[in-house]
Amino acid sequence: RKEVEQDPGPFNVPEGATVAFNCTYSNSASQSFFWYRQDCRKEPKLLMSVYSSGNEDGRFTAQLNRASQYISLLIRDSKLSDSATYLCVVNMVAAGNKLTFGGGTRVLVKP
Amino acid sequence: EAGVAQSPRYKIIEKRQSVAFWCNPISGHATLYWYQQILGQGPKLLIQFQNNGVVDDSQLPKDRFSAERLKGVDSTLKIQPAKLEDSAVYLCASSLGLINEQFFGPGTRLTVL
Repeated sequence: RKEVEQDPGPFNVPEGATVAFNCTYSNSASQSFFWYRQDCRKEPKLLMSVYSSGNEDGRFTAQLNRASQYISLLIRDSKLSDSATYLCVVNMVAAGNKLTFGGGTRVLVKP
Repeated sequence: EAGVAQSPRYKIIEKRQSVAFWCNPISGHATLYWYQQILGQGPKLLIQFQNNGVVDDSQLPKDRFSAERLKGVDSTLKIQPAKLEDSAVYLCASSLGLINEQFFGPGTRLTVL
C-alpha cells in the first residue's frame, strides 16, 4: 500500500459547481498535512495547510479525519482557473520531517 | 524576494552520459530538498539537507545519483551514468526550517535518450 494515495481523476467539474476529493495516508503517526496545487508544467505551490479542526480559505475547505486516516479538499463555486493537479502532502515529524507526496488529483473545470 | 533558482531548465542527454543540476535556494532558507517527478506522478523526495548536512537520502539511488550542499547554500545534484528511467523533472525546494512551507523552483526537465 502506498504511503499517500489519491484518486488521479480527472474530475470534470462544471464551472460554478462544487468538487471534493480525498487523500488517504497509511501511517497513523503522520502529523502534518498540506494541499499543494500544481499547474501543468509548473512547480507545486502551497495551497493550504490542513489543521485538525479543519480550515477554510475562501472557496477552499480542508478537513482532516485522523480516525479514518484521510484528508479532504473541497472547492466551492469552481472557477476555470481552478483547473490543476492537487497534491496531498503528509509530513512525518518523527521521521525527520519527511514529506511524502501523493500522486495528485487532476481537476478540470469546464464552462 | 527572489525565488528558488534552478538551472538548466531543460537537458537532453543519451543514456550512460552524466548530467548535473544546480539549485540556489531562497536566501536564509536552511533546508533544501531535491525531488524527482515522473510524468503523471507526485514528486518523490531524493534528498533533504539541513544547512550542509544530509537529513534524509533514503530514496536516493546512490549507485548513480549524488548531491552536495558544501557551503550550506546552493546545491548540485548529479546523475552518473544516466538511465532511460531517469527522464523526469527534477525539482529543488527550500524552506526556512524543517517544519516550514516549502517553496519550489521551476525544475529541470531531463530527457534521457
